[in-house]
Amino acid sequence: GAGVSQSPSNKVTEKGKDVELRCDPISGHTALYWYRQRLGQGLEFLIYFQGNSAPDKSGLPSDRFSAERTGESVSTLTIQRTQQEDSAVYLCASSLGRHDLPPYGYTFGSGTRLTVV
Amino acid sequence: DQQVKQNSPSLSVQEGRISILNCDYTNSMFDYFLWYKKYPAEGPTFLISISSIKDKNEDGRFTVFLNKSAKHLSLHIVPSQPGDSAVYFCAAYGSGTYKYIFGTGTRLKVLA
Repeated sequence: GAGVSQSPSNKVTEKGKDVELRCDPISGHTALYWYRQRLGQGLEFLIYFQGNSAPDKSGLPSDRFSAERTGESVSTLTIQRTQQEDSAVYLCASSLGRHDLPPYGYTFGSGTRLTVV
Repeated sequence: DQQVKQNSPSLSVQEGRISILNCDYTNSMFDYFLWYKKYPAEGPTFLISISSIKDKNEDGRFTVFLNKSAKHLSLHIVPSQPGDSAVYFCAAYGSGTYKYIFGTGTRLKVLA
């Protein structure tokens, strides 16, 4: 596609429920990243995919968070047993590959705003 | 441990004047720095970058300055326009990490 697409754009869920967030990167982009932005905070790195493997999962905050990527394309971020502190905007970004980042940045999607009530 | 810091959460500037957004970092191994701009309900978009071997990079109205000894960079927007009103994030990149580390953002408001 022309850009990075994320769905849903907004999600309200009850505490304790599981949610799945989806990211469609730009076609041909082998690197995919998930970040989140909680209210009043910066962009917090969650996980990085190169192809279908995740060499860096260091930002996943707990074992309730998991992500997968299939076919070097779509990625889903799953949050199990959601908590109120999971409320944030979850942003997905993609790039051509891990070596091409500087001097250019990622291309971000518009994000999924998750609200846990 | 905040490796990239933007200490001013907000800034207001009159249209036509200069906007200066600041960013500090702690890791001397970062070798690229970027600025992103974010409008509400949109993802951040890349604005300008600078390599750690340079001290200035200019692109139209936007100039980024890097002071490595002070571990400080700044983004200058001249002249500021109302359409520049957005949240600006600085980000740092270190070779081998394959990811950017972002600051907390500064909300710029340009007053007409």
